[in-house]
Amino acid sequence: QVQLQESGPGLLKPSQTLSLTCTVSGGSISSGGYYWSWIRQHPGKGLEWIGYIYHSGSTYYSPSLRSQVTISLDTSKNQFSLKVTSVTAADTAVYYCARVSGNAFFNWGQGTQVTVSS
Amino acid sequence: QSDLTQPASVSGSPGQSITISCTGTSSDVGTYNLVSWYQHHPGKAPKLMIYEVSQRPSGVSNRFSGSKSGNTASLTVSGLQAEDEADYYCCSFAGSRFWVFGGGTKLTVL
Repeated sequence: QVQLQESGPGLLKPSQTLSLTCTVSGGSISSGGYYWSWIRQHPGKGLEWIGYIYHSGSTYYSPSLRSQVTISLDTSKNQFSLKVTSVTAADTAVYYCARVSGNAFFNWGQGTQVTVSS
Repeated sequence: QSDLTQPASVSGSPGQSITISCTGTSSDVGTYNLVSWYQHHPGKAPKLMIYEVSQRPSGVSNRFSGSKSGNTASLTVSGLQAEDEADYYCCSFAGSRFWVFGGGTKLTVL
């Protein structure tokens, strides 16, 4: 059973760059057929899809976040990452990583809280 | 404001059935049979309960079922159990916007 675990700094200041990593176990991110995704949840709100990356390295982003985010793979560590530039308080959220298979988010991490505050 | 509209809360007694609605538009739920539902116990990883409108992943109880009519999808939980108490989110493919989610529904088992 594949498992995902997010990691990264919990607190950032405005204008900094957020970097998060998702470590995958029980399966290879290099194997075909899956997209590796990031989703976030603002306090008291619903979920927001950020984007995903295919095993080939092709990336797809939410149109509203495309200018601010980058998702990448590190196959040597079986990890994928999210970078969000120039963060503001609006980027405060719980960030989840997930594996997408067959048009649904089949496996999720537990999430990591990110707070942006001066 | 989420792209898909869900009721903020629903409740039911053990053994009863409840239905959670998820209303989108002709650009998402109404066009694509790619609606999925997720159960989320706070602090834990969300769990896929239904995909492609009505398909259940292996291991998910058949007490959970999904359907769609027009721009509205629904999740029905029958034979409510205490362990079903959680937040539930719907999701739909939305073409150029890719994936949109609902605001979530808190299910309370009385």
